Parts: sequence; C-alpha cells; structure tokens
Amino acid sequence: DAGVIQSPRHEVTEMGQEVTLRCKPISGHNSLFWYRQTMMRGLELLIYFNNNVPIDDSGMPEDRFSAKMPNASFSTLKIQPSEPRDSAVYFCASCWGRSGANVLTFGAGSRLTVL
Amino acid sequence: DAKTTQPNSMESNEEEPVHLPCNHSTISGTDYIHWYRQLPSQGPEYVIHGLTSNVNNRMASLAIAEDRKSSTLILHRATLRDAAVYYCILRGGGSGNTGKLIFGQGTTLQVKP
Repeated sequence: DAGVIQSPRHEVTEMGQEVTLRCKPISGHNSLFWYRQTMMRGLELLIYFNNNVPIDDSGMPEDRFSAKMPNASFSTLKIQPSEPRDSAVYFCASCWGRSGANVLTFGAGSRLTVL
Repeated sequence: DAKTTQPNSMESNEEEPVHLPCNHSTISGTDYIHWYRQLPSQGPEYVIHGLTSNVNNRMASLAIAEDRKSSTLILHRATLRDAAVYYCILRGGGSGNTGKLIFGQGTTLQVKP
C-alpha cells in the first residue's frame, strides 16, 4: 500500500485565494482525520470522519474552513478565502475503526504558505 | 479528553537506552496509551500502544504502571535517527467514544553521537 497520499505537498498562494488540499486514505480504512501543525499551536485536530460522515468538527477554526469526504477513498479540506494565519502544515491520517486500539497512519503533509 | 504530561526535552547518547516518561493520572479504564513520533519535516508515525500490559515491538517497548497513571517508552539503543518529538497520547476505547487522537506538546529527544 502506498500509505496516506496528500496533495499538493507544497502550496504558495495569495491572501484571499481558495485553497483545496486533498487526501487519499489507506484502502480499507474507514476513519479519516485532518490535522494542522504550526510552531505556535502544535498539532491540532481539525475534523474527524468515520464512514465518510463527519463525527467531530469542533476543531475547524472558522467558517472559512470546510471539509468533505464524498467517498471512502477521497477527502478535501478547503479554505476560502485564505489568510496569512492559515499558513501551516496540514496532515491527513487514516485508520480502521473508532476503537482506541486502532492506530493512525499519517500522510507526508501539505505545506501551505499564504502571502 | 484525558491529558498527558511529558518533559519538554530529553537528551541521550547514541547507542544508549532512552526512557521517555509520560504521566496520565486521569486515564480512564478504556483509554489506550499511544506513542507517536515525528521526525523533522515528516508526518507523525506510530511507535507503540498498549492498554494494561507492557508491550514490545521492533521499534520500542512500552512499560505501563500497574495503576496506569504513568507509562514509559523505552528505546533500547538510541540512534541518531531516533531524534524526534515523541508524543504520548490517550485514545478512548469505550463504546460511544469518538476515538480522537489529541496531541500535546511532546518530548523533543536529542541524540548525541
């Protein structure tokens, strides 16, 4: 398996532009997580899907952020409009099930820079 | 979500054992203890996890206190490649729990040659 695949790996955009980050989870995994990492705040959980349904989106910072999971093999995180404070590395992770015994596999991340 | 407490940083010499402590005094009976690490410029990676008994795998060992209020990640022979941020996280296992994985600040491990 190729692991969790994220794209793009790097994105530089200007303030006000729409940004779409993509994630392909490991085949067979039915839980998907989006995290954001900054020096100031560390790794923050943004949203968590199980069986393509958002279970917990309490970490989504504001209405400019939205996430979708139209099927088991694809998820997007969209920022519209983007702001400089959104600059961060965004990680996607997947696992099987919701049990505490299951472990997450992370992607390599998408580094976003908003100018 | 139950919290964990870890030292901010630790140092080790190459090829020596490293013991990374974690306190989780508010752990519930169904919380699993997970350890992940993050190498520079990479995503977090799974290291080991356990519930009550000590665990061993090819990467490390996990020693869990009898009362489960603390645990220790043991790297038997540290290498330079083990320099990373190590996160101790509790992940709920009870029915109805969402199973979120919430990261704290972790322990930055430096390995000296």
